[in-house]
Amino acid sequence: AQTVTQSQPEMSVQEAETVTLSCTYDTSENNYYLFWYKQPPSRQMILVIRQEAYKQQNATENRFSVNFQKAAKSFSLKISDSQLGDTAMYFCAFTNLIQGAQKLVFGQGTRLTINP
Amino acid sequence: GAVVSQHPSWVICKSGTSVKIECRSLDFQATTMFWYRQFPKQSLMLMATSNEGSKATYEQGVEKDKFLINHASLTLSTLTVTSAHPEDSSFYICSARDGRGYTIYFGEGSWLTVV
Repeated sequence: AQTVTQSQPEMSVQEAETVTLSCTYDTSENNYYLFWYKQPPSRQMILVIRQEAYKQQNATENRFSVNFQKAAKSFSLKISDSQLGDTAMYFCAFTNLIQGAQKLVFGQGTRLTINP
Repeated sequence: GAVVSQHPSWVICKSGTSVKIECRSLDFQATTMFWYRQFPKQSLMLMATSNEGSKATYEQGVEKDKFLINHASLTLSTLTVTSAHPEDSSFYICSARDGRGYTIYFGEGSWLTVV
């Protein structure tokens, strides 16, 4: 079974700093997708970034980028120039590409606080 | 981006009654929808996977007779909590997979309080 592990329950940085959230996963599959979702106090799950396992290039979305290390099964999220609005729970998630499955497996989450 | 709408956002019901939560994909066809439950300060726990026109697949430990899931069309799935009890009080959130790709989008979630 696939598992996703986020080893940092909480993190806190000052506004404008850069922060990296860690995520590791375990799978025997070769083709899969990885995601980072943000859940602010409103509880709405917001897709931050997506990475296809077959792509070597790390995904980037504005201030958000990932460091995808397939061999190490590591998928960290870097937030540059952090803003107060980045304060939220962040969940790393995995889905495989097996027909009929494709459910998301979530990590435990990291509570990120951006301080003014 | 794709939009998934969940209704109601908040619901209070009396113990022993049933309550229905709807999940709609507004601008795409969702062949697969997922229902999650989230306890305070915890991650999302997958309850079941529903595919349009077929029976839902429940995760181990989830009572299928208590949590009825129906996926009658490509844009609508419903979760009915039957004979609700206070321990069923929780945050329930649905998601839908865009059939054109592998990204999964989430509804806004529903707070259920059983009194």
